[in-house]
Amino acid sequence: EDKVVQSPLSLVVHEGDTVTLNCSYEVTNFRSLLWYKQEKKAPTFLFMLTSSGIEKKSGRLSSILDKKELSSILNITATQTGDSAIYLCAVDEGNTDKLIFGTGTRLQVFP
Amino acid sequence: DAGVTQSPTHLIKTRGQQVTLRCSPKSGHDTVSWYQQALGQGPQFIFQYYEEEERQRGNFPDRFSGHQFPNYSSELNVNALLLGDSALYLCASSLDREETQYFGPGTRLLVL
Repeated sequence: EDKVVQSPLSLVVHEGDTVTLNCSYEVTNFRSLLWYKQEKKAPTFLFMLTSSGIEKKSGRLSSILDKKELSSILNITATQTGDSAIYLCAVDEGNTDKLIFGTGTRLQVFP
Repeated sequence: DAGVTQSPTHLIKTRGQQVTLRCSPKSGHDTVSWYQQALGQGPQFIFQYYEEEERQRGNFPDRFSGHQFPNYSSELNVNALLLGDSALYLCASSLDREETQYFGPGTRLLVL
């Protein structure tokens, strides 16, 4: 059965810290891996990583896809309280176009 | 550029009742997917609509059904509600066969 696993489940840091969120997957027909940030309700899109685009960066956020290890990491440097959210990792299953999500990592950043 | 919109934002129902949730996709998008997110869990795929047809379906019973209209908006219907149907229901839209899905704010359903 296809699955996506995220770790850690929860993370508490202070402003200015750097964090690394992990995502591993076992998906039969991998097409891409996506990261979303969920603050209250709507997950907002952060990055999409594919075989042809294994590293993405936007400001303090960056993400890398390791297709050999079937995993991805999301890095956030110089964290701010506004980074507090649940970070969701999802894999697009190529045969069905459905997204298979992990349970998310809850990040709390304190001043 | 209008994003994905959903209505209502919150809903309270009792067991056995039926509910209809609505979604309007992001402008220019033609594909709508529905997800159920239970508390503390990641979203689970319910089904996807394209060209007014259900194209893919996840592991959800037939009590969950949907519809897509010619303007690409969509409805999710749930019959014979159970307590376990309490969740956040998310709609996501995309362009056909493109991976990036954009989510709406969701409808929080509480079944008592």
